[in-house]
Amino acid sequence: DAKTTQPTSMDCAEGRAANLPCNHSTISGNEYVYWYRQIHSQGPQYIIHGLKNNETNEMASLIITEDRKSSTLILPHATLRDTAVYYCIVRAASGTYKYIFGTGTRLKVLA
Amino acid sequence: GAVVSQHPSWVICKSGTSVKIECRSLDFQATTMFWYRQFPKQSLMLMATSNEGSKATYEQGVEKDKFLINHASLTLSTLTVTSAHPEDSSFYICSTASGQGKNQPQHFGDGTRLSIL
Repeated sequence: DAKTTQPTSMDCAEGRAANLPCNHSTISGNEYVYWYRQIHSQGPQYIIHGLKNNETNEMASLIITEDRKSSTLILPHATLRDTAVYYCIVRAASGTYKYIFGTGTRLKVLA
Repeated sequence: GAVVSQHPSWVICKSGTSVKIECRSLDFQATTMFWYRQFPKQSLMLMATSNEGSKATYEQGVEKDKFLINHASLTLSTLTVTSAHPEDSSFYICSTASGQGKNQPQHFGDGTRLSIL
């Protein structure tokens, strides 16, 4: 079973920040949080990942709570092209390295 | 990040045909690749872990004789759907991890849409 839960869908106005939450209350100490998005009929695209510190790259920011039981992906200025399904995954840095996908959040950016 | 190439991107076949899908790691050597299947409006489901030079590890409920995986080189893994039937129609996606660090993310191919008539 997936170790994460996310809202099924969200809407965001174009130009506004999109904040996508993820709950991973059973996360272990050696498990990282990874975020991907999937645009229709394409493979998932890597966005960002982190362990316990907040992370930022050219695509997004990742905020992980101090207890690491939840995180938020922030798209600072959403565009129509950000409309996609966003997946939050936790995975250990050892063992099989496999991902178990949850249902994800379908983000719709509105003009 | 790693570049992963899948081929073909789309295939339509008659029922009973076997179909081979290729997954290539273009810019690094991948000892491990993963194969997923995705039905419409559903999430990705891991089918198997492909290991270079050894047998693949299949997830529970996935028939290894139905979905043959070969990982003969560090840059190529293949998935063969044997004697495909309409219920095998799906979106098949491969991935591999980039870099040397064990926390490195997986990178995915663009998928293969398989339609069995």
